[in-house]
Amino acid sequence: DGGITQSPKYLFRKEGQNVTLSCEQNLNHDAMYWYRQDPGQGLRLIYYSQIVNDFQKGDIAEGYSVSREKKESFPLTVTSAQKNPTAFYLCASSIRQENYGYTFGSGTRLTVV
Amino acid sequence: QKEVEQNSGPLSVPEGAIASLNCTYSDRGSQSFFWYRQYSGKSPELIMFIYSNGDKEDGRFTAQLNKASQYVSLLIRDSQPSDSATYLCAVKSGGSYIPTFGRGTSLIVHP
Repeated sequence: DGGITQSPKYLFRKEGQNVTLSCEQNLNHDAMYWYRQDPGQGLRLIYYSQIVNDFQKGDIAEGYSVSREKKESFPLTVTSAQKNPTAFYLCASSIRQENYGYTFGSGTRLTVV
Repeated sequence: QKEVEQNSGPLSVPEGAIASLNCTYSDRGSQSFFWYRQYSGKSPELIMFIYSNGDKEDGRFTAQLNKASQYVSLLIRDSQPSDSATYLCAVKSGGSYIPTFGRGTSLIVHP
């Protein structure tokens, strides 16, 4: 079955630590996205990639970094520069068509300890 | 600034009733419209999309689009407690692959 897998499901970060969230898809989708969801705030776009080896900043990219070395993979690093990283992180993928929606992964819940 | 507005709710309906969820958008160039369902603590799941004016039906779900008035609605017939979730509206502008999301409407279906 095709799908999109995020890991880990829960992640705890200490102050000053970088952590990396994994996102892998086997849907053969060109485009991949990272969103952050906070209570009452809706989904906010962090980074997106429409093609391998290329990615663009979203609305809240500061304190985050990504890479897209393979079509299937789009890992997100939350750096120590991100001062308020506690949130629910969602990875999504899609084909590059207007009339096509997202497939989301199951999410990673990140907590600062 | 493209905006997508949804009433946060909660919208409470009795089991078996029709639940009506509304979404308005600001960009007149919007072309594609999506509804996602998100259960508490889970990720969103695409349940409907529409891009032509009028109604689109899929089982108990009907999406209604009115581009002149810039709103899109989701009707859920014969609502069940398992429909209790947050419903996110997402809108794509022409030529864009990235949607603008509303903040979602919380629906509670009580027995």
